[in-house]
Amino acid sequence: DTEVTQTPKHLVMGMTNKKSLKCEQHMGHRAMYWYKQKAKKPPELMFVYSYEKLSINESVPSRFSPECPNSSLLNLHLHALQPEDSALYLCASSQALDREYGYTFGSGTRLTVV
Amino acid sequence: AQSVTQLDSHVSVSEGTPVLLRCNYSSSYSPSLFWYVQHPNKGLQLLLKYTSAATLVKGINGFEAEFKKSETSFHLTKPSAHMSDAAEYFCVVRVNTGGFKTIFGAGTRLFVKA
Repeated sequence: DTEVTQTPKHLVMGMTNKKSLKCEQHMGHRAMYWYKQKAKKPPELMFVYSYEKLSINESVPSRFSPECPNSSLLNLHLHALQPEDSALYLCASSQALDREYGYTFGSGTRLTVV
Repeated sequence: AQSVTQLDSHVSVSEGTPVLLRCNYSSSYSPSLFWYVQHPNKGLQLLLKYTSAATLVKGINGFEAEFKKSETSFHLTKPSAHMSDAAEYFCVVRVNTGGFKTIFGAGTRLFVKA
């Protein structure tokens, strides 16, 4: 299995809703990442997990809450989002954090906040 | 400090002609360099990587890149463009700084004309 699977592919939520994004990989990768990508822009790093521990939080608002229940699974819990949070949310994994490892990306969740 | 500059925001080629996407980098640390491709509404896919071994790197779909330390460049080339190559391309630098740092270029949109 050489894929990162993200669900759902599309999500529309109101500003008072609570929802979760899910990411799964079975490649034995020990680093997992959440990125946010706005239209015509490169991905922006949100969170990094290494060996299931939060390694980096890029000053992301608390309305985004990551969780890594095990080495294969990464969740992003969403609550009280704003319309400007609408974006493509990408999950990625790599063998480890070291610089020589490239990322495997999922196809993303297209989030629209109304 | 680390930075990545993709010298062209848009490149347009005819099908069957060569492709050149330019990337310059700046880094205080020994970098690894990557090229990713992103088709519309999809995740990013790793094309190739340089991690301090051979300076000429071959990737998937006929792409290759050459690491030139003296010019701080990592340009992506392909001898003959195909319609399916039309996409956004990102040059990425990764360094170990005690922690880790990943920097994305702004992206180059490749158009392929029939």
